[in-house]
Amino acid sequence: EPEVTQTPSHQVTQMGQEVILRCVPISNHLYFYWYRQILGQKVEFLVSFYNNEISEKSEIFDDQFSVERPDGSNFTLKIRSTKLEDSAMYFCASSEARGANIQYFGAGTRLSVL
Amino acid sequence: AQSVTQLDSQVPVFEEAPVELRCNYSSSVSVYLFWYVQYPNQGLQLLLKYLSGSTLVKGINGFEAEFNKSQTSFHLRKPSVHISDTAEYFCAVSTTGGGNKLTFGTGTQLKVEL
Repeated sequence: EPEVTQTPSHQVTQMGQEVILRCVPISNHLYFYWYRQILGQKVEFLVSFYNNEISEKSEIFDDQFSVERPDGSNFTLKIRSTKLEDSAMYFCASSEARGANIQYFGAGTRLSVL
Repeated sequence: AQSVTQLDSQVPVFEEAPVELRCNYSSSVSVYLFWYVQYPNQGLQLLLKYLSGSTLVKGINGFEAEFNKSQTSFHLRKPSVHISDTAEYFCAVSTTGGGNKLTFGTGTQLKVEL
């Protein structure tokens, strides 16, 4: 069964450093998403991406965040200058279309900012 | 804006006993409803979804859920649980007329004991 792949599974970084979290969505999917879950809290929507542009973003997704689809397979989330409060599990998801379409999630990347 | 409440953070249950995990939502517009499961060190996997039609929906692994519009609830049930059902369960909603973003509840940890 096709799956969403995320790398690395765990990323440790120093405060102020840039990190790039990588995702390979399911190959025929057109919509891509990032969510995050701070330990003990809800899974929160960050951003959705379609046709090489952001289609929706939350208030969490400020100027320090960016997303990119650099080639036909990868979808990345960049955090320019990490803060302690960016420590969380980051989930990538993809879906064939919008609306009622199912979002398929990756196993997540645990980001630890020291 | 929509929100999801999962009142029970943890539900312990003995194997072969029935279980109900509660989910209530709030939204000013029509919604799609989902239950996702997360096994340790894995991504979120869709259990079942309600889009329209019959209010009783059946999912994988013997789970079912009932949409109750008047009570704005979407409780998840299983008549007889197994040890392998031990996992975190997340209820989520998305709006029918808008984008794809999922709004999640805080999750319920189901622990099945012998």
